[in-house]
Amino acid sequence: AQKVTQAQTEISVVEKEDVTLDCVYETRDTTYYLFWYKQPPSGELVFLIRRNSFDEQNEISGRYSWNFQKSTSSFNFTITASQVVDSAVYFCALHPSNAGKSTFGDGTTLTVKP
Amino acid sequence: DTEVTQTPKHLVMGMTNKKSLKCEQHMGHRAMYWYKQKAKKPPELMFVYSYEKLSINESVPSRFSPECPNSSLLNLHLHALQPEDSALYLCASSPWTSGSYEQYFGPGTRLTVT
Repeated sequence: AQKVTQAQTEISVVEKEDVTLDCVYETRDTTYYLFWYKQPPSGELVFLIRRNSFDEQNEISGRYSWNFQKSTSSFNFTITASQVVDSAVYFCALHPSNAGKSTFGDGTTLTVKP
Repeated sequence: DTEVTQTPKHLVMGMTNKKSLKCEQHMGHRAMYWYKQKAKKPPELMFVYSYEKLSINESVPSRFSPECPNSSLLNLHLHALQPEDSALYLCASSPWTSGSYEQYFGPGTRLTVT
């Protein structure tokens, strides 16, 4: 069975602060895929990043960075110099290698105040 | 074209009505999904079509009936719904090739059952 835990239900920061969203997963698969999605108040879920289990390289895209650590089963997401437009619900998800279904975490609601 | 479109954006229906939700993608993706999402919850998988065949049905009540006329289109037929079926219905598509299971979501249909 797969499980994704996003322990932080809500986070509130002031603009320009850095913030890290935690994601811990459980799976018995040796090959799997991890994702982060953003859901702004408008409602549309947006795919942000995919990470394969065999690729532990961290990734940076502008103000966003992702830290994948297989040893701790974590795939954390950091936003540097947060902006009001980053306010959204962020979901971490896990997908098995056998083309099954994705398991979503419960989401973290991030509020960035001006 | 990296867009998934959904119609209608909003739908209000009575418990005896029959209506359909429509979803379209032109990214050549081989899998399409229907999700139901309640406020402040992660999306809940309903159905997955891969290569135009129903591959996952998450024990959804028969008042929801999916249809995949071709690889670009996905419908969800609704009949005799209950007020608790009111939710945001999200369609998504995915490349569904090895290592590419990330999902691209449409804007959703906000359904209200009266």
